Amino acid sequence: AQSVTQLGSHVSVSEGALVLLRCNYSSSVPPYLFWYVQYPNQGLQLLLKYTTGATLVKGINGFEAEFKKSETSFHLTKPSAHMSDAAEYFCAVTRGGTSYGKLTFGQGTILTVHP
Amino acid sequence: DSGVTQTPKHLITATGQRVTLRCSPRSGDLSVYWYQQSLDQGLQFLIQYYNGEERAKGNILERFSAQQFPDLHSELNLSSLELGDSALYFCASSVTGEGNQPQHFGDGTRLSIL
Repeated sequence: AQSVTQLGSHVSVSEGALVLLRCNYSSSVPPYLFWYVQYPNQGLQLLLKYTTGATLVKGINGFEAEFKKSETSFHLTKPSAHMSDAAEYFCAVTRGGTSYGKLTFGQGTILTVHP
Repeated sequence: DSGVTQTPKHLITATGQRVTLRCSPRSGDLSVYWYQQSLDQGLQFLIQYYNGEERAKGNILERFSAQQFPDLHSELNLSSLELGDSALYFCASSVTGEGNQPQHFGDGTRLSIL
C-alpha cells in the first residue's frame, strides 16, 4: 500500500522568499507522484506530476518538484513566493503500473505568505 | 475551470436521510472518481469508474453507492446519513483512468448533516 507524509501542516514565508513544501512517500513499486493546490471553496488543481523520465519536473505558477528515489521524497519548491500562492497544498501518489488511479493524499500543508 | 461539474454545491439534510450527488466529467474523460474530504480523515478515495464499470474501490461505506451512466456522468448515493458523513465530496475525472493520468477535480459538494 502507498502512503504519503507531508512534513509541516503549516508553512509561513515572506513574499519573495523560497517556498519549500516537503513530501515523503512509501510505495512497494515505483510510484506516480502529484502535487495539487486547493484554494478556499474550490476543488484541487494539478500543479505538476512525475510519472517517468526526468526527475525534476516543472509545473504551473513557477513551481517545481524533484523526485528522489533514494530519499523517497518529492518536495515542492518555488524560488520566490507570491501572495497569490497562499493556499493548501497536497502531495499525492498512485501505484505505478496499474490500470486504476486511486490517489492517496498527504494531510496537506497550508502555505501562508506574509507581505 | 477544470471542466468537471458537480451539483449541488451545497446540501443540508438531516440524519437518516438519503441524498444523491451528481458529477459530469470533462469532455473526453472516460473515468470518474469520488473522494471525501473531512477535517479528521483528510482526502479519502471512495470509488473509481471507467466507462460505466467499477474499476477500484476504497474505504467506501456500505451505506454509500455510486454508478456511472452511459453518458459518462456519475452519481454518488449516500443513505442513512449520520453526522459523521458531513464532508466535502469531490468528483474527479481522467482520460483512461490509469495511475499516471492527472485527475481533474470539480469544486465539490459540501454536505452538512444536521
